[in-house]
Amino acid sequence: GENVEQHPSTLSVQEGDSAVIKCTYSDSASNYFPWYKQELGKRPQLIIDIRSNVGEKKDQRIAVTLNKTAKHFSLHITETQPEDSAVYFCAATSRGSYQKVTFGTGTKLQVIP
Amino acid sequence: GAVVSQHPSRVICKSGTSVKIECRSLDFQATTMFWYRQFPKQSLMLMATSNEGSKATYEQGVEKDKFLINHASLTLSTLTVTSAHPEDSSFYICSVPPGANTEAFFGQGTRLTVV
Repeated sequence: GENVEQHPSTLSVQEGDSAVIKCTYSDSASNYFPWYKQELGKRPQLIIDIRSNVGEKKDQRIAVTLNKTAKHFSLHITETQPEDSAVYFCAATSRGSYQKVTFGTGTKLQVIP
Repeated sequence: GAVVSQHPSRVICKSGTSVKIECRSLDFQATTMFWYRQFPKQSLMLMATSNEGSKATYEQGVEKDKFLINHASLTLSTLTVTSAHPEDSSFYICSVPPGANTEAFFGQGTRLTVV
């Protein structure tokens, strides 16, 4: 099955700086890579996603890059704000009769005002 | 977007009792529902996949006789934790899988505490 590794596990940045979180996956057939923000006790919230036919996607301060050859993808948050502080999860989906989602181990991001 | 409604949001039960968690798709039909478990400071781990009209598929290491899954209709999937123990205390979340052009949709989650 799919295996997703995520680094770093914790990340502290100064407000206004950029934050980068990296993930690798094992199944070369995976074709959908969402990123989630999760606040304590809440459901994961999709912040951006990318499909395997695209190398990069951007939405305001958030961008994701995908390298299918190397099987890794990254989340970039620019101009970080205190409200960006949360736990972020990357995920990858494997092909099959349904899109099984495998989550990374999570990154706790702290933005210091 | 699609809405998945999960109940209860929080439940406390005594050790040895059973707890049922429901997930409903409110404005669409869901033939498949994923059930995840998340322990504190850990990631979401897939427990099982429920399929309407057929048996659920369980991930390795998940006891199917302890975590009973029923997908009785295209809008309702349930997870019953039987003979709950304190180590079953966790955050349980259901999810409709992503599609070719859609994202995954999650229920609100259920915080289960077994005392």
